[in-house]
Amino acid sequence: KAGVTQTPRYLIKTRGQQVTLSCSPISGHRSVSWYQQTPGQGLQFLFEYFSETQRNKGNFPGRFSGRQFSNSRSEMNVSTLELGDSALYLCASSSPPGAELFFGEGSRLTVL
Amino acid sequence: DQQVKQNSPSLSVQEGRISILNCDYTNSMFDYFLWYKKYPAEGPTFLISISSIKDKNEDGRFTVFLNKSAKHLSLHIVPSQPGDSAVYFCAASRESSGTYKYIFGTGTRLKVLA
Repeated sequence: KAGVTQTPRYLIKTRGQQVTLSCSPISGHRSVSWYQQTPGQGLQFLFEYFSETQRNKGNFPGRFSGRQFSNSRSEMNVSTLELGDSALYLCASSSPPGAELFFGEGSRLTVL
Repeated sequence: DQQVKQNSPSLSVQEGRISILNCDYTNSMFDYFLWYKKYPAEGPTFLISISSIKDKNEDGRFTVFLNKSAKHLSLHIVPSQPGDSAVYFCAASRESSGTYKYIFGTGTRLKVLA
C-alpha cells in the first residue's frame, strides 16, 4: 500500500507570493491533517479534514487555508508569504480518525 | 500555551544502554498518547502508543509508561542502538465531538553513541 505522498518536496518562494502544497493520503484514509514543523517549535497543528470538511483548526492566521477533495486528496495554501513561513509542512492521514497518524515526507518551503 | 512539553531538547546515550525520553502534558482530558520518530528529510513514523486506561505498553525494545496523576509519560528504549538516533516526538490527543486533535511536543534529539 502506497504511503502518504506530498508534492512538491522542496520549493523556494519570495515574500508576498502564495504557495499551494498537495497531499495524497494512504488509500482508504479519509482523514487528512496538516502540520508545520519549525526548529524548536515541534509540529504545530494547522488543520484536519474529513470527508471534505474541515473539522479542526489550529492557531494560524487566515493566510493559511486548506481543502479536501472527494478522493480525500488535500491541498493547503499559504497566501502573502512571510519569512517566518519557512518550514517543513507535513501532511498525515489516518483511518479511522483517532488512530495513529501516517505522515508524508513533507514539503520544505523556503521564503526569501 | 504548550500543552505537551518535552523539556530535554537532546539526549546522548551509549549503545546498549537505556534511553529514557520524557514528556509532560497539561490537559487531563487527553486520552491517547503516541510517540513518533523522525529522521532527517523524512516524515515522522509511528513508534508506539498508549491509551489513558493503561499505564504501560511494550513493543520489543520500546516501552511507554504513563503516569496520569503526574501527567507524565516516558519512552524507554532498551537496548539503545545507533539506528535509534533520531528526533522523537510525543503527541497527545482527545476525542471531541467525534473528532481527534493531536498536540505534539517540541521533540528530543536522541544520539546513540557507538
